[in-house]
Amino acid sequence: GDSVTQMEGPVTLSEEACLTINCTYTATGYPSLFWYVQYPGEGLQLLLKATKADDKGSNKGFEATYRKETTSFHLEKGSVQVSDSAVYFCALSDLQGAQKLVFGQGTRLTINP
Amino acid sequence: SQTIHQWPATLVQPVGSPLSLECTVEGTSNPNLYWYRQAAGRGLQLLFYSVGIGQISSEVPQNLSASRPQDRQFILSSKKLLLSDSGFYLCAWSPGGFYEQYFGPGTRLTVT
Repeated sequence: GDSVTQMEGPVTLSEEACLTINCTYTATGYPSLFWYVQYPGEGLQLLLKATKADDKGSNKGFEATYRKETTSFHLEKGSVQVSDSAVYFCALSDLQGAQKLVFGQGTRLTINP
Repeated sequence: SQTIHQWPATLVQPVGSPLSLECTVEGTSNPNLYWYRQAAGRGLQLLFYSVGIGQISSEVPQNLSASRPQDRQFILSSKKLLLSDSGFYLCAWSPGGFYEQYFGPGTRLTVT
């Protein structure tokens, strides 16, 4: 079945560092791809999405490009802030029906001042 | 705009007691609805989803059940809680025909 693999966490960076969280997927067909963010004690928030190959999703300084040739959707940010500390989930649309999402295991990011 | 509510926010229940968690969505009609569980430090596990009133699909066999008595209401229940039912329960909705899901604030359940 379809699956999403994210880089192992936790990831710890200093403020203003560059961020990359790797996400690769296995899917039949051409799914939509998503990044969600979960702040401590809260639900998930949709951060960005891409619906077809070569699309770039962006929001709040974060970007991710849908790469069909490498089946990847890596999350990037040029300069992180302490407020970016959270758990980040990569997800894809399950095209087998019922409009479900398949989530990666999540990557915990901590930014130190 | 659309809003999703969950209650209660936190719950502490003894083993063997019943459970009822409620989720409601405002500002949309005929949404798809989902229940997830997130164990401490773990990823998301899809428990149930519903594409319409009275239509429930179960993803994982367990002692939980779900019901959708109204278009925008989704209820998660158990007759007898187990210790392993502890976790963070998240409800989500998606517009019909679209995949992106929008999550509620969650209910933290501790079974003692």
